[in-house]
Amino acid sequence: DAKTTQPPSMDCAEGRAANLPCNHSTISGNEYVYWYRQIHSQGPQYIIHGLKNNETNEMASLIITEDRKSSTLILPHATLRDTAVYYCIVREYAGGTSYGKLTFGQGTILTVHP
Amino acid sequence: GAVVSQHPSRVICKSGTSVKIECRSLDFQATTMFWYRQFPKQSLMLMATSNEGSKATYEQGVEKDKFLINHASLTLSTLTVTSAHPEDSSFYICSAKMVNTEAFFGQGTRLTVV
Repeated sequence: DAKTTQPPSMDCAEGRAANLPCNHSTISGNEYVYWYRQIHSQGPQYIIHGLKNNETNEMASLIITEDRKSSTLILPHATLRDTAVYYCIVREYAGGTSYGKLTFGQGTILTVHP
Repeated sequence: GAVVSQHPSRVICKSGTSVKIECRSLDFQATTMFWYRQFPKQSLMLMATSNEGSKATYEQGVEKDKFLINHASLTLSTLTVTSAHPEDSSFYICSAKMVNTEAFFGQGTRLTVV
């Protein structure tokens, strides 16, 4: 799986948009970008994933650059409950020989403050 | 999203004893389950991948005789930590997925070996 690089920490004011960047310059054509988050002492929570088109769901938006070498997760109106570690992961979609296993990096600690 | 439940959420055991952790997919049949371990202030480390009805595939450096994984049905996988020692104290997290879906995580089990 391709390696990802994320900033170790970010701050965001409550109510503002949180934009979390991720670099994945070695991503290959069949690899998707996944985002998960982990709130303290809980299991990770799936947020969103995409291949090359921008994606949006009820939690967030995912913007992938045209060359697919980087992406940005956007939380449009951050709340205090969005404080968590956010992981950007690149891998084959769901199946493949790895059965869709996820390799977690260090992630970005997002702190939302009042 | 789909619900994955782990039990127990916390367990304290004496050194030398064995501990079993259960992971259940409550509203879907999981073709593949994964077990992770997370030490304080570190990221999740994949321990093993298990497919229903077959032997688990362990990651390099994970002792298969110490961490016994059973995936006897499409909704249940168990991790047994045998002859536990204080260095096995950690946060153990399972995830489960169907074919061609993202992975969903349990809430984790905090194991403390005294």
